[in-house]
Amino acid sequence: DVKVTQSSRYLVKRTGEKVFLECVQDMDHENMFWYRQDPGLGLRLIYFSYDVKMKEKGDIPEGYSVSREKKERFSLILESASTNQTSMYLCASSLGGGVIETQYFGPGTRLLVL
Amino acid sequence: QKEVEQNSGPLSVPEGAIASLNCTYSDRGSQSFFWYRQYSGKSPELIMSIYSNGDKEDGRFTAQLNKASQYVSLLIRDSQPSDSATYLCAVNPGTYKYIFGTGTRLKVLA
Repeated sequence: DVKVTQSSRYLVKRTGEKVFLECVQDMDHENMFWYRQDPGLGLRLIYFSYDVKMKEKGDIPEGYSVSREKKERFSLILESASTNQTSMYLCASSLGGGVIETQYFGPGTRLLVL
Repeated sequence: QKEVEQNSGPLSVPEGAIASLNCTYSDRGSQSFFWYRQYSGKSPELIMSIYSNGDKEDGRFTAQLNKASQYVSLLIRDSQPSDSATYLCAVNPGTYKYIFGTGTRLKVLA
């Protein structure tokens, strides 16, 4: 079974803090993704990575950066947290290399920025 | 803008009935289609994937795909209260990225 884990289930941070969210997958997947999910807006892609040290912006990258130093780990960084970044953050991974890709999600991190 | 549309619901069905969830997509080049179930406060969990026109069955779930009409559906037979959740439709247009619908909330009434 694919396992995707996220470092925290719940986080409370203050405005202006630098926030790190970590995601680890144990199935040697090439692709990893960060989404945020907000009521009424669905899942929105922030960044994705298709290889170590490779990344591409998704639909809403502003205010975020990412790091992928090792294949199994993909970190999302909020450089200076703001209240509008309060959300559920979801990490996903997929095998890579194929036309048909299934994404598997981690448990999510609910972030509250005060 | 590539889109995936779902009725937000809630769709209410009595226990034991068939629940029918629908999704339309705009990109004709889309190649693979997925249904995820998401319980409140939890992350999406894959239920079904479908790539070819027609029906695909897995237990109480049947996914139906009609590429000509750009339509994909999920049928849940013998619905149970534990099926109450939000169901997300996702479409892969052939890139790394998915396009997700905003989900349909299903309520199965005991």
